[in-house]
Amino acid sequence: AAGVIQSPRHLIKEKRETATLKCYPIPRHDTVYWYQQGPGQDPQFLISFYEKMQSDKGSIPDRFSAQQFSDYHSELNMSSLELGDSALYFCASSRPGETSGGAWNEQFFGPGTRLTVL
Amino acid sequence: KQEVTQIPAALSVPEGENLVLNCSFTDSAIYNLQWFRQDPGKGLTSLLLIQSSQREQTSGRLNASLDKSSGRSTLYIAASQPGDSATYLCAVWGGYNKLIFGAGTRLAVHP
Repeated sequence: AAGVIQSPRHLIKEKRETATLKCYPIPRHDTVYWYQQGPGQDPQFLISFYEKMQSDKGSIPDRFSAQQFSDYHSELNMSSLELGDSALYFCASSRPGETSGGAWNEQFFGPGTRLTVL
Repeated sequence: KQEVTQIPAALSVPEGENLVLNCSFTDSAIYNLQWFRQDPGKGLTSLLLIQSSQREQTSGRLNASLDKSSGRSTLYIAASQPGDSATYLCAVWGGYNKLIFGAGTRLAVHP
């Protein structure tokens, strides 16, 4: 079965550089979520999109922006990178209201992008 | 504000034991609760999802229960194996299009 695809899987950047992370949701999933997981921490919600519109916003820095495109893929743009931005960035997708073995709005996670800021 | 707590933070057991991992949440107004497994440096694998109207879900050696009124969920792992070693995270979905995670239980099963 198709899963959530994230690219790149690993990214190394210098301070003050920019980075773009991409997420391709499971086919027919219309909702995308971004999470950030720092070393030894639990994932923290950043932002989500439903049908190409932002649906919720969490602890996302102003230096970050994201969007969802017409093909439902999403990109997370990160500017003026700081050392503290080094983390694992997860994308998840879901299709609200659709059951998956009886589960409603189950979120399926991608493998993550490991960002290292030097 | 929803807060999710997992106990214990770490667990080390010999192979074959039956395990209980606990998750509690402060706001009982949830739509569902998911249990995930995460291997070091890897992604999140969804293990079980319990809808708010359900009391438990089972998959193989895993069984998750949900008591929404008391704000608790429990993940049972039967006959643990070394391959079960990982961090187990629970997360609740409160309808705001985001999951709120607990800090996880780090499990080590030794032969």
